[in-house]
Amino acid sequence: EVQLVESGGGLVQPGGSLRLSCATSGFTFSSYWMSWVRQAPGKGLEWVAYIKQDGSEKYYVDSVKGRFTISRDNAKNSLYLQMNSLRAEDTAVYYCARPWDNWGQGTLVTVSS
Amino acid sequence: QAGLTQPPSVSKGLRQTATLTCTGNTNNVGYQGAAWLQQHQGHPPKLLSYRNNNRPSGISERFSASRSGDTASLTITGLQPEDEADYYCSAWDSSLSAWVFGGGTKLTVL
Repeated sequence: EVQLVESGGGLVQPGGSLRLSCATSGFTFSSYWMSWVRQAPGKGLEWVAYIKQDGSEKYYVDSVKGRFTISRDNAKNSLYLQMNSLRAEDTAVYYCARPWDNWGQGTLVTVSS
Repeated sequence: QAGLTQPPSVSKGLRQTATLTCTGNTNNVGYQGAAWLQQHQGHPPKLLSYRNNNRPSGISERFSASRSGDTASLTITGLQPEDEADYYCSAWDSSLSAWVFGGGTKLTVL
């Protein structure tokens, strides 16, 4: 069974940093592109970042470029999202996804003073 | 990054048929088609269809997808109460090198 489990969310002040992790199991992680998607409270889905199997290609939504970094560790079957210079508008549930047939349960990031 | 266009809401009666639309352009929907996702309140999205009409295992045949030019459609037949949910489309945009989502359609089953 494919499983994706996010962790690392929480409350952070504007300008702060957080690192999200996504532990995966049940599939050959190193064979798949992976992604982060977020959903602000009461809003729709917004794609955040996308990474190739070997990490050699990364893509980001314009609003996070230069602030967020997606990475992966294929030896640990894990995906990461380093989020710096956080803003109130980054408040959302962040989902780890294997586009788009498998999703984690999400982790809530709240940016507030 | 412009998203895909979906109607905010659709309402249909029990056992009726609903068709949801998703409009993009030649760089996204018109390029490789769209995926359709269903999301119930408080739950992560669930894939219903990818690249137009490929259904993952376990997805009911009541859900079928199609594409005409730059517009993708999801048709749900024999509407059931559990079909009441938010539906999103998504496509890779080759000019933006980005995934784009529609704003979502809230389907109400009357």
